[in-house]
Amino acid sequence: AQSVTQPDIHITVSEGASLELRCNYSYGATPYLFWYVQSPGQGLQLLLKYFSGDTLVQGIKGFEAEFKRSQSSFNLRKPSVHWSDAAEYFCAVGGAGGTSYGKLTFGQGTILTVHP
Amino acid sequence: DAGVTQSPTHLIKTRGQHVTLRCSPISGHKSVSWYQQVLGQGPQFIFQYYEKEERGRGNFPDRFSARQFPNYSSELNVNALLLGDSALYLCASSLTPPQGAQYFGPGTRLTVT
Repeated sequence: AQSVTQPDIHITVSEGASLELRCNYSYGATPYLFWYVQSPGQGLQLLLKYFSGDTLVQGIKGFEAEFKRSQSSFNLRKPSVHWSDAAEYFCAVGGAGGTSYGKLTFGQGTILTVHP
Repeated sequence: DAGVTQSPTHLIKTRGQHVTLRCSPISGHKSVSWYQQVLGQGPQFIFQYYEKEERGRGNFPDRFSARQFPNYSSELNVNALLLGDSALYLCASSLTPPQGAQYFGPGTRLTVT
């Protein structure tokens, strides 16, 4: 069964500081991996996705993520955080077979607070 | 281009009632998925439809059902509502399932009293 763990429930950083949000996944085959961001009461916005190929993936809003198969990780990074990045971030792994067809399994989310 | 749209935005129902939620995918997308997000948790997969057929199902009771129409819009139906069904219901559309990125709508906030 596929699963996602986001070890950090809440992270606080200062504006301008670098950011790394951790994500570990469990999946039996080559995973499809995603990062989404959600503002309070809103839907989810796709930041970036990994299907295959280059393990360093660039996304929107200056975010990037690195797929490390040996560590089953897909951590999200940003070199300089802006106050508008404050939100909740979700890592997800996609399924391809059986009843998992098209299923995204999400982690519990990481809430990011940005101090001025 | 319009994104995924969902209606209604908010809904209040009483225990035991039935509810229908609606979703229109991004133009050209033939796949729609439904998720339930309880406060403080990540979304949980309910259903995935592609070309009007159910292709994936999550671990939800039979009170939950869905369908996809010829124009690729979709309905999620929940019967015999329970207090625990209170959640944000999210619809997502995709161009190339199962591996294609899913784009989410703003959600329908359901409150069951």
